[in-house]
Amino acid sequence: QQQVKQSPQSLIVQKGGIPIINCAYENTAFDYFPWYQQFPGKGPALLIAIRPDVSEKKEGRFTISFNKSAKQFSLHIMDSQPGDSATYFCAASAKGGSEKLVFGKGTKLTVNP
Amino acid sequence: EPEVTQTPSHQVTQMGQEVILRCVPISNHLYFYWYRQILGQKVEFLVSFYNNEISEKSEIFDDQFSVERPDGSNFTLKIRSTKLEDSAMYFCASRGTGNSEAFFGQGTRLTVV
Repeated sequence: QQQVKQSPQSLIVQKGGIPIINCAYENTAFDYFPWYQQFPGKGPALLIAIRPDVSEKKEGRFTISFNKSAKQFSLHIMDSQPGDSATYFCAASAKGGSEKLVFGKGTKLTVNP
Repeated sequence: EPEVTQTPSHQVTQMGQEVILRCVPISNHLYFYWYRQILGQKVEFLVSFYNNEISEKSEIFDDQFSVERPDGSNFTLKIRSTKLEDSAMYFCASRGTGNSEAFFGQGTRLTVV
């Protein structure tokens, strides 16, 4: 019940494409859902996060869609660029994010020029 | 911009040896975490620390692991007798009060030979 399932494992798109990464969770106590971006050899960096009181959040080219009833959330990257090539992790936490983060397995995104 | 600093960036140790991984969290943060990431796998929670004591630990965090905040600024993870399977990237993270986001350090790559 503590798992966060993430798909796909890898994704290749052309520049300008809109990659979509999906995550699903079981634990209804989760109420904070961040996405982290990780470049090789670096630590995860927070990209965008959503709480379940909204169904969508947009920051720049990054959008999270959240479906509370389905217990699913997804990351969309608009107008993707080669510099977006990285591994993306979804995560979930309870108590508004004050508890530990439970991470998905990650999606390696490659954006070709 | 404040950041979480980890040292060393890479540590090679022989099996059975003790290692100490060091972290300097963001100065006004109160919640501290260690996570690890085995190569190519997801980020896994190890332990959380608040008010000078462990608030939660995972199954991975057995008696071989310990954490300490020795001087009010550093936060350390000690592995008493390293095993081959301890080889991983170890990330320190810190968080302020309320529902603030967790900031991750760049990680220490531990290689046990």
